[in-house]
Amino acid sequence: DVKVTQSSRYLVKRTGEKVFLECVQDMDHENMFWYRQDPGLGLRLIYFSYDVKMKEKGDIPEGYSVSREKKERFSLILESASTNQTSMYLCASIGDGSYGYTFGSGTRLTVV
Amino acid sequence: AQSVAQPEDQVNVAEGNPLTVKCTYSVSGNPYLFWYVQYPNRGLQFLLKYITGDNLVKGSYGFEAEFNKSQTSFHLKKPSALVSDSALYFCAVRDRESSASKIIFGSGTRLSIRP
Repeated sequence: DVKVTQSSRYLVKRTGEKVFLECVQDMDHENMFWYRQDPGLGLRLIYFSYDVKMKEKGDIPEGYSVSREKKERFSLILESASTNQTSMYLCASIGDGSYGYTFGSGTRLTVV
Repeated sequence: AQSVAQPEDQVNVAEGNPLTVKCTYSVSGNPYLFWYVQYPNRGLQFLLKYITGDNLVKGSYGFEAEFNKSQTSFHLKKPSALVSDSALYFCAVRDRESSASKIIFGSGTRLSIRP
């Protein structure tokens, strides 16, 4: 069964900490995405990557960065966590020629 | 620019009754359209998609959706609701003319089925 795996389901971090959210897919997909989900706002795109070492800003990149050193892994980095980054973070991937995403289970991050 | 509107934050239906969750979209070209479902504290699961062909698309768990180009709508339907259908539903669109693979999501509709 194909998978997108996010390393943590729940995470609690302190304000100012550097936070790493990891996402790994086993489908050899070229494209990977990070979204955050907040009530009433749906999913908002933070960053995406269409190839190794390539990245593109989404709609809300401020306060975030990403890393894609290997095709299967796409990391989201919160350089200095703030309370307004408390959210559900969803990773997704899609192969070239495919139509819809495969999602990970999500990481619920709380910044205190 | 692409956008998706789900005009209802919540839809309440009695078990056994038909349900409809509304979605309208805006893209510059022709769309790929999707519905995803999310259960509590989980990621999104694919439900169905419209790519081309028949405007009525059938998906998982007895759901279907109708693509209406003139009304730019893609409403999700089910003839007889189950309590287990209670979840958060997202409509999404991708512009098939674009080389990018970005999918834009609506704000979500919470479906509540009462026994």
